[in-house]
Amino acid sequence: AQTVTQSQPEMSVQEAETVTLSCTYDTSESDYYLFWYKQPPSRQMILVIRQEAYKQQNATENRFSVNFQKAAKSFSLKISDSQLGDAAMYFCAYRSGYNNNDMRFGAGTRLTVKP
Amino acid sequence: EAGVAQSPRYKIIEKRQSVAFWCNPISGHATLYWYQQILGQGPKLLIQFQNNGVVDDSQLPKDRFSAERLKGVDSTLKIQPAKLEDSAVYLCASSPGWVSGGLTDTQYFGPGTRLTVL
Repeated sequence: AQTVTQSQPEMSVQEAETVTLSCTYDTSESDYYLFWYKQPPSRQMILVIRQEAYKQQNATENRFSVNFQKAAKSFSLKISDSQLGDAAMYFCAYRSGYNNNDMRFGAGTRLTVKP
Repeated sequence: EAGVAQSPRYKIIEKRQSVAFWCNPISGHATLYWYQQILGQGPKLLIQFQNNGVVDDSQLPKDRFSAERLKGVDSTLKIQPAKLEDSAVYLCASSPGWVSGGLTDTQYFGPGTRLTVL
């Protein structure tokens, strides 16, 4: 079964600095999708970034970028120029390309942004 | 466009009581998901609907949980009877599904319902 591991329960970053959140996953599939979701204290989960496994190019969305290392099964999220509004729980998620129902989330990383 | 709506936002019940949650997905979204998020954990999929049909309910504790999506729009999730371990946030999400150009699988989440079972 596919598993998603986020080894950092909590991270802290100074405003305007850069922070990287780690995520590793375990799968034997070759077709899959990876996601980072943000969950602010209000609890509404928001998609931050999405990566298709067959694409070698790392996805970017404004200040958010990923480092996708397929061979290492690693999918880290880099947040540049951190802002106070970035403070939230961040969840890494895996979805099988063969079974659209199979979406697995990691346990999350709580990011604190210090002014 | 309006987001995914859920109600109630908070619910406190005694164990062995019944409770129901309601979800209204984004208009036109074919796929609807119910997740259970226990404190300190990531969301776990309970059930997935495609229009008004169940696609996957393999992780739904069917002895006490039930869900329906009438007319392929709104959905309700029921717990009867509730146990202490059901205390969690119940998240509803929807996604467009297959649209012209391919599969759009991005899930849009509602604010969740926080259930406390005493």
